[in-house]
Amino acid sequence: SQTIHQWPATLVQPVGSPLSLECTVEGTSNPNLYWYRQAAGRGLQLLFYSVGIGQISSEVPQNLSASRPQDRQFILSSKKLLLSDSGFYLCAWTVRRLAGVRGETQYFGPGTRLLVL
Amino acid sequence: AQKITQTQPGMFVQEKEAVTLDCTYDTSDPSYGLFWYKQPSSGEMIFLIYQGSYDQQNATEGRYSLNFQKARKSANLVISASQLGDSAMYFCAMRVIQGAQKLVFGQGTRLTINP
Repeated sequence: SQTIHQWPATLVQPVGSPLSLECTVEGTSNPNLYWYRQAAGRGLQLLFYSVGIGQISSEVPQNLSASRPQDRQFILSSKKLLLSDSGFYLCAWTVRRLAGVRGETQYFGPGTRLLVL
Repeated sequence: AQKITQTQPGMFVQEKEAVTLDCTYDTSDPSYGLFWYKQPSSGEMIFLIYQGSYDQQNATEGRYSLNFQKARKSANLVISASQLGDSAMYFCAMRVIQGAQKLVFGQGTRLTINP
């Protein structure tokens, strides 16, 4: 079965410090991968998605970046954090090349709570 | 532009009653998928149910069913026989681009089940 991991689970960082959040998927190959951010009490905002190694699409201009160095690894980074980067970051994956519910459903990791002070 | 609207910020329901969570969507794409996710206080997003735009039957998954009214562009979630463990945030979402399978989420509805 497939599982998705995110770490760290929680993170408190000072303004201006760098950031690296990691997401890995097990039990599948060549997935689509996604990074979302959720502000407190709000819905999810798509930040980046990737359909393959080295292929990154950005949805929202910001000081964050994403990379996909391996097929099942997705990394969210920042060189200098802002207060507004605080939030709950969720990674998700889908199985491609399948029609219907199996090919379209995104499955989410446990998330990382980031607080920038 | 594709958009999901959830007009109920909060819902309070007695245990064992049925509850309907509203969701309307806007898209000009004839092919789309609609999803409902549950987010308990732990933060994880749990997939509940899916409806494809060409599906003839309303989707059902255990106590969850999706009341899909295509002409009205609504995809309401119905939870039958609610339980205390159903208390959570519920999000409606829509797939907007085939291939990349990007999702657009609504703002969510906080459901509270009272004993």
